[in-house]
Amino acid sequence: QKEVEQDPGPLSVPEGAIVSLNCTYSNSAFQYFMWYRQYSRKGPELLMYTYSSGNKEDGRFTAQVDKSSKYISLFIRDSQPSDSATYLCAMSAGYGNNRLAFGKGNQVVVIP
Amino acid sequence: DVKVTQSSRYLVKRTGEKVFLECVQDMDHENMFWYRQDPGLGLRLIYFSYDVKMKEKGDIPEGYSVSREKKERFSLILESASTNQTSMYLCASRASGTGGNEQYFGPGTRLTVT
Repeated sequence: QKEVEQDPGPLSVPEGAIVSLNCTYSNSAFQYFMWYRQYSRKGPELLMYTYSSGNKEDGRFTAQVDKSSKYISLFIRDSQPSDSATYLCAMSAGYGNNRLAFGKGNQVVVIP
Repeated sequence: DVKVTQSSRYLVKRTGEKVFLECVQDMDHENMFWYRQDPGLGLRLIYFSYDVKMKEKGDIPEGYSVSREKKERFSLILESASTNQTSMYLCASRASGTGGNEQYFGPGTRLTVT
C-alpha cells in the first residue's frame, strides 16, 4: 500500500464550479498536511498548510483534514481558468521532519 | 516571500558529462532539498541537507552527489549523466525551529540527457 494515494485525474469542471480534491494516507503518524499547486513546467507552489485535524480557509480555498479516516481534502470555490493546474498533497510526521510524503498529483482543468 | 532560484530552467547535456545544478535560497533556511519529478512517479527525494556541509541521502541517491558549502546554496551533481536522468529537477528549502514542515520550491530545471 502506498503511503499517500491521490487520484491523478484529470478533473474537468466548468468555470464557477466547486473543485473537490482528496488524498488518503496510511501512516497514522502524519500530523502536518500541505497542498501545493503546480502549473505546467513550473515548480510547486505552497497553497495551504494545516496541522492535525480540522478545517482551514483561505479565500476561495478550504483544506480539511480527517485524521480518523486518514483523509484530506482541498476545495476550490468559484473556480477560475487560472486554477487549471496540478494539485499535489503532501504530509509529514513530527515537528521538524524533513521527509515529506507526496501524492502523485491531480490535474484540474477549469473550462471557461 | 520565500525565494528559491535555480540556475537554469532548461539544460541539455550529453551522456557521460558531469552536470551541476545550482540552487539558491534567500530566506536563511537551514534545510535544503533536491527532488526529481517524473510522470507517473511523482516527486522523489534525492538528497537533503540540514546544515552547511551536512547531507543525507534521500530515496534515490544513486548517480547523484551534493554539495553545500554555504547556507544559501545547495548543488546537485550528476557525476556521469545518463539518459535515465532526464527529468525535472526541483530544489526546495525549509526553515527549522519555526512553523511546521512546509517546503518551498524553486521553478525547476528540466534536464535532458542525450
